[in-house]
Amino acid sequence: EAGVAQSPRYKIIEKRQSVAFWCNPISGHATLYWYQQILGQGPKLLIQFQNNGVVDDSQLPKDRFSAERLKGVDSTLKIQPAKLEDSAVYLCASSPRAGESSGANVLTFGAGSRLTVL
Amino acid sequence: GESVGLHLPTLSVQEGDNSIINCAYSNSASDYFIWYKQESGKGPQFIIDIRSNMDKRQGQRVTVLLNKTVKHLSLQIAATQPGDSAVYFCAEKSGNRKLIWGLGTSLAVNP
Repeated sequence: EAGVAQSPRYKIIEKRQSVAFWCNPISGHATLYWYQQILGQGPKLLIQFQNNGVVDDSQLPKDRFSAERLKGVDSTLKIQPAKLEDSAVYLCASSPRAGESSGANVLTFGAGSRLTVL
Repeated sequence: GESVGLHLPTLSVQEGDNSIINCAYSNSASDYFIWYKQESGKGPQFIIDIRSNMDKRQGQRVTVLLNKTVKHLSLQIAATQPGDSAVYFCAEKSGNRKLIWGLGTSLAVNP
């Protein structure tokens, strides 16, 4: 099966500019996640969608970050305006369904979008 | 070779040796644990998982051990190969709550 697709792979912007990342999850996966991974650290969950509804966005800096999954399939993550500390890899992941069974807990990740803010 | 939790984030082993990567978790209510491997420039890749009602689970060349008494998780890789070089993350989960990720251990395999 096709994996999780993300674009762009790399993006360099100046601070205060805006950027958008796109993710297409594995077909049929109901749950989609956006993670931020700063170099040398583990992934930090920004937002989790179940179909087109938000399950958890408690760590999303809502004054500058926004995400949507309008049709319950692909998703976009936007940063506006960007700050230097937003330099990171933005990982998208999907899973069949958030729930109790082990299979649904296994996230499949895309390759990530590396953002550099100058 | 063996690492000791998050205090030794880099583990270096000889090709062919067994590797042991350790992880200490904090939430005694966690009932699900998972290991991911992340190669440079790629997203994390699922290796193996285990539920809290088990002590051990084996996969292909990998074994996960869970000690709930001391809240410790380990990943054993048999006959380590150069392709095993990566950062390894453990993560824990309680019920339907989100995954909590560790900081990761970098494994370097020397030929």
